[in-house]
Amino acid sequence: NAGVTQTPKFRILKIGQSMTLQCTQDMNHNYMYWYRQDPGMGLKLIYYSVGAGITDKGEVPNGYNVSRSTTEDFPLRLELAAPSQTSVYFCASRDMTSGRAGVTYNEQFFGPGTRLTVL
Amino acid sequence: AQSVSQHNHHVILSEAASLELGCNYSYGGTVNLFWYVQYPGQHLQLLLKYFSGDPLVKGIKGFEAEFIKSKFSFNLRKPSVQWSDTAEYFCAVNKYSSASKIIFGSGTRLSIRP
Repeated sequence: NAGVTQTPKFRILKIGQSMTLQCTQDMNHNYMYWYRQDPGMGLKLIYYSVGAGITDKGEVPNGYNVSRSTTEDFPLRLELAAPSQTSVYFCASRDMTSGRAGVTYNEQFFGPGTRLTVL
Repeated sequence: AQSVSQHNHHVILSEAASLELGCNYSYGGTVNLFWYVQYPGQHLQLLLKYFSGDPLVKGIKGFEAEFIKSKFSFNLRKPSVQWSDTAEYFCAVNKYSSASKIIFGSGTRLSIRP
């Protein structure tokens, strides 16, 4: 299994440009996430998806869009890049298990990250 | 608002020293707890997790963590660190039965002097 893969690894954008960060997982996980990591800060949730066709906003969704047409892919779109979007972006996926105690969301598997600079 | 605090931003230790990294959270209800590690140039990976049961959990590479519910803490420990433990460590708290309510701490950078 490749796990979670992300492309590109690095990208420099000019203000106002757009781009799509790709994320693919081969573990058949229903749950997928996009985070951004800024220096000295924890990971902030941008968007997440609980299955194909279903997405929802996280903590910091402004300036981003997502889609989830398949279980495997969860691309993140930046429409009008701004310097405030300079960050490292991580995609993650996980599954859940259900039992007598209820639903448990297991650990997340992360991709290698995309380092984005907006100038 | 819910939060996760990792008070140590940068810890520097010599090899063979003991390690304890603090993690405190402010969720009031049932939580699942995680420690992730990010080695230089690599992606985050799971060190250990707590869902229920024994509050002392053991993870990979000799790490362990203790969940103290009354203190809302989940501190990470290792009795003797190695140079290869140089990394950034993140504590994460997931509200029980929630797919999206996960909060990460700001991370602790651990540097080990050989």
